[in-house]
Amino acid sequence: KQEVTQIPAALSVPEGENLVLNCSFTDSAIYNLQWFRQDPGKGLTSLLLIQSSQREQTSGRLNASLDKSSGRSTLYIAASQPGDSATYLCAVRDTNAGKSTFGDGTTLTVKP
Amino acid sequence: DTAVSQTPKYLVTQMGNDKSIKCEQNLGHDTMYWYKQDSKKFLKIMFSYNNKELIINETVPNRFSPKSPDKAHLNLHINSLELGDSAVYFCASSQAGQGYTFGSGTRLTVV
Repeated sequence: KQEVTQIPAALSVPEGENLVLNCSFTDSAIYNLQWFRQDPGKGLTSLLLIQSSQREQTSGRLNASLDKSSGRSTLYIAASQPGDSATYLCAVRDTNAGKSTFGDGTTLTVKP
Repeated sequence: DTAVSQTPKYLVTQMGNDKSIKCEQNLGHDTMYWYKQDSKKFLKIMFSYNNKELIINETVPNRFSPKSPDKAHLNLHINSLELGDSAVYFCASSQAGQGYTFGSGTRLTVV
């Protein structure tokens, strides 16, 4: 059974800092991994999708990496802004069943 | 707008009632899902349909019954609502090789 862990559970940084969010998973036989952000009381917005054959994906100030052999993904946010404050979730998609297991999320606060 | 839309956005109801949540996607995706997010913000899959066929049915009370009239719609009917059913229910869709697109959620409160 896939288990997904996100560390840290919460993170507070001053504006402008670069930061890394971590996602670990126990079963390396994954189909893809997707990073989302969720604002309070809102739905999930997809940020980046990494297929199992890929090592990283980039979108603007965001960069996500994937190391299947070690069961890890990182989300790098450059030059953080107050608008980046949200909960960040990673979802690991199972190869066979097609379902995703979500981590508990990292709640990020960027202070002006 | 291409999206996953679910209705209603908010639902407040008494224990014992039966209610339905509707979901529609116009993205042309083959697979649709229902996820539940509890008070601790943990997201857990409930059901998945691929081209109207049930492919994932997690350990969910049989008071919850999904229905997919066509591949663009996946509705969730809940019988005999209980206090513990209070949560945010998210609909999502995906296509093979792609990631999920989520709806904005339905906040269900059972009183």
